[in-house]
Amino acid sequence: SAVISQKPSRDICQRGTSLTIQCQVDSQVTMMFWYRQQPGQSLTLIATANQGSEATYESGFVIDKFPISRPNLTFSTLTVSNMSPEDSSIYLCSVVLRGGQETQYFGPGTRLLVL
Amino acid sequence: GQNIDQPTEMTATEGAIVQINCTYQTSGFNGLFWYQQHAGEAPTFLSYNVLDGLEEKGRFSSFLSRSKGYSYLLLKELQMKDSASYLCAVRALPRVKLIFGTGTLLAVQP
Repeated sequence: SAVISQKPSRDICQRGTSLTIQCQVDSQVTMMFWYRQQPGQSLTLIATANQGSEATYESGFVIDKFPISRPNLTFSTLTVSNMSPEDSSIYLCSVVLRGGQETQYFGPGTRLLVL
Repeated sequence: GQNIDQPTEMTATEGAIVQINCTYQTSGFNGLFWYQQHAGEAPTFLSYNVLDGLEEKGRFSSFLSRSKGYSYLLLKELQMKDSASYLCAVRALPRVKLIFGTGTLLAVQP
């Protein structure tokens, strides 16, 4: 496995503002993903973070709302833009390690509350 | 499309055995994963099946039947710390993304 860290671990934000979440891995990874887990729900994939190019978004998620960067193999950011209370959720970074069996490992998550 | 079903909640007794079922419908099946998630924490990887049969890892085992679109997670010698949500996730080609079920909340009672 690997050590996956996310910052911030939690935040309380005002509607209309934006928050950028960082994900850092201590190993080489092949793929990085961003998920959302709303209260009492399972995980929903937001997008695949592609190194050096635009992320691949899932149906229902758009770049203007959730811009994603991945400047190198071990680091990615997700921005939640123009937030509303409906964006209150846990945001999780997930990675597939290089040389593994393509298992996805999850970061500790960022707990976001939008007032 | 893709569909994954698992029971919403289960209750079991400490020291007992519990089986959590997962059924799925997908094209291009390329593996099934089980994750454990304690309240307020991130999911942790438990097991991976891509071929039919049983994979055993200590107290936890996972079974897959691709022809039936069926998997189960078997937990033996239950402990109180096993109280958690158990998520079934399917990977389908051509993408490597995972599609998660809604999760089964397991409560282990004394």
